[in-house]
Amino acid sequence: QSALTQPASVSGSPGQSITISCTGTSSDIGSYNFVSWYQQHPGKAPKLMIYDVSNRPSGVSNRFSGSKSGNTASLTISGLQAEDEADYYCSSHTSSSTWVFGGGTKLTVL
Amino acid sequence: QVQLQESGPGLVKPSETLSLTCTVSGGSISSGSFYWGWIRQPAGEGLEWIGRIYTSGSTNYNPSLRSRVTISVDTSKNQFSLKLSSATAADTAVYYCAREDYSSSVMDPWGQGTLVTVSS
Repeated sequence: QSALTQPASVSGSPGQSITISCTGTSSDIGSYNFVSWYQQHPGKAPKLMIYDVSNRPSGVSNRFSGSKSGNTASLTISGLQAEDEADYYCSSHTSSSTWVFGGGTKLTVL
Repeated sequence: QVQLQESGPGLVKPSETLSLTCTVSGGSISSGSFYWGWIRQPAGEGLEWIGRIYTSGSTNYNPSLRSRVTISVDTSKNQFSLKLSSATAADTAVYYCAREDYSSSVMDPWGQGTLVTVSS
């Protein structure tokens, strides 16, 4: 299975909105609504931010939202804050009953 | 609140078997509908899903690692384990354990991670 495709980096100024894309295939993102997004700060374990394409776990800010169209999922962060600077990873269930992650996107808050 | 903690040798020799254990606290590994999985991350790189086990013993593995990976569960100790045979330097990474929801894409909580270095 090949890793999902994410941009290596994105950036934005405080208060702005950014969107991170995650492109897969018809064997993963395109066939299932089991897409998640994780935030990882340096030296820390990943933190679940979005699950099942667009659901937020309890305690996650509503500034984070997710969506999907065809083989591509997206994470949008609105009202950027300095604390949002981190690496972000998408993941998807696959037709082989496994999970596949994206390569990760480094978000820089300017 | 369920918590996970990885443990095991931090240094493994090439060609030997990498072995790690994840201890679950705050809840029974047998309760609820969950998978128990392993994920790794080489330094400066992305996340790689290794595999998972259901408490019934059913497993799923990453196809790229399937020939070398075994995940098992010990419900009496509330633990599950990872064995990766024929280790090479490419297996050097931080290894995380995590709980996976049976019917959603929730992978949470995660352990804090443990660094395993493969070197002679």
